[in-house]
This record gives sequence, structure tokens and C-alpha cells, in this order.
Amino acid sequence: QQQVKQSPQSLIVQKGGISIINCAYENTAFDYFPWYQQFPGKGPALLIAIRPDVSEKKEGRFTISFNKSAKQFSLHIMDSQPGDSATYFCAASRSQLIWGAGTKLIIKP
Amino acid sequence: DAGVIQSPRHEVTEMGQEVTLRCKPISGHDYLFWYRQTMMRGLELLIYFNNNVPIDDSGMPEDRFSAKMPNASFSTLKIQPSEPRDSAVYFCASSFGRDGQPQHFGDGTRLSIL
Repeated sequence: QQQVKQSPQSLIVQKGGISIINCAYENTAFDYFPWYQQFPGKGPALLIAIRPDVSEKKEGRFTISFNKSAKQFSLHIMDSQPGDSATYFCAASRSQLIWGAGTKLIIKP
Repeated sequence: DAGVIQSPRHEVTEMGQEVTLRCKPISGHDYLFWYRQTMMRGLELLIYFNNNVPIDDSGMPEDRFSAKMPNASFSTLKIQPSEPRDSAVYFCASSFGRDGQPQHFGDGTRLSIL
């Protein structure tokens, strides 16, 4: 019940396309859902986060969509750029942060 | 403001040797986390501290691993004796508060045990 399941494991998107990464959780007590971005040789960095009282949060080209009833949330990257190529982690927490397995995103120029 | 600083960036050592990883958290942050990252297991939380006190070390794989935080600006993760299966990237992160607060990660230590 503590798991966060992330898919796909890897994703290739053409430049200018939309990248979509999905996560699902079981624990309805989770109240904070962040997405982290990790570049090679660097630690993960917070990209965007959402609380369950809203269904969507947008920051620039990055949007989190949150479906409380389905216990799912997703990251959408609009107009994907080669510089967005990185590994993306979803996570969920009530107290301790539970991490998804990560998605390696490659944006082809 | 400086971010989380980890040293060394890379460490290569032979099996059986003692390894010490170091972390300087962001000034003012009261939580410090140690993570291990591998391809097989992803990001694993090993231990975390609040105000220099270890709170949860249930992720520490075995007694060969130990962590200390003698003051608010310094923490160490020690492996003694090291084994090849300990090879991984070890990250330190800090945050101001825990619940719903962003964790700021260092650039990690890439550890290779031969």
C-alpha cells in the first residue's frame, strides 16, 4: 500500500511533442505529490508538486494532472525540448516520501 | 546560497575497506536524508535525521552501514567493511521541514567497490 507505481520505464518523444508520464498509488492518506527531475551526474531536483485538493497544476510547459478517485497522477510536458531529456520521478507522501521507479525521457531533435 | 555539498564525488576502493561519505546540508535546513540509487532498486531512503538526531534508519541495509550527524552542518555515511554490492550512487538531501517540503539533493557520490 506504500508503493507508487510509475510508467513507462522509458519514453522517446519527438521535439515539440507532448511527453506524458503516469503514476498510481494505493494509500489514500498521501497528501503531497511531487515530481523530481534528474540529469546525469546530478541529484534529483523538485520540478513541480501538487496537493490533492486541486486537479491540475501548471508551471510553464509542465503540468500535473491529478485524479483523486482513480488514485492516479501524471506529468505532462508540452512542446518537449531536447533539454528536457532526463529521468523523472514521481513521489507521494503523508510523512515519508515514497518514490516511483523513474522514467527515462529522451527528446529527439 | 550554496546547495547540498557531498564529497567525494567519486570513490573507488577495494572490498573490505572502510568508506566514508560526507555531506554538508543547506544552512538552516533541519532534516537530512541519505539515499542510495541503483539501476535495480531505484532510489532507496537509508536514514534520515531531524535536528541532528537519527529518526528512521530502517532503510540501512545492514550493520556494516552507519550514519552520524555530529552538528547541523555535517553528516557522514560509513560502510565498514565494504562489499561489491554496495556499489551505487549515494545522495544526501536536506529540507526545511519534512511533510510537503522539497528535498534539495547534492550531486551524489559514485561509489565503486572492486
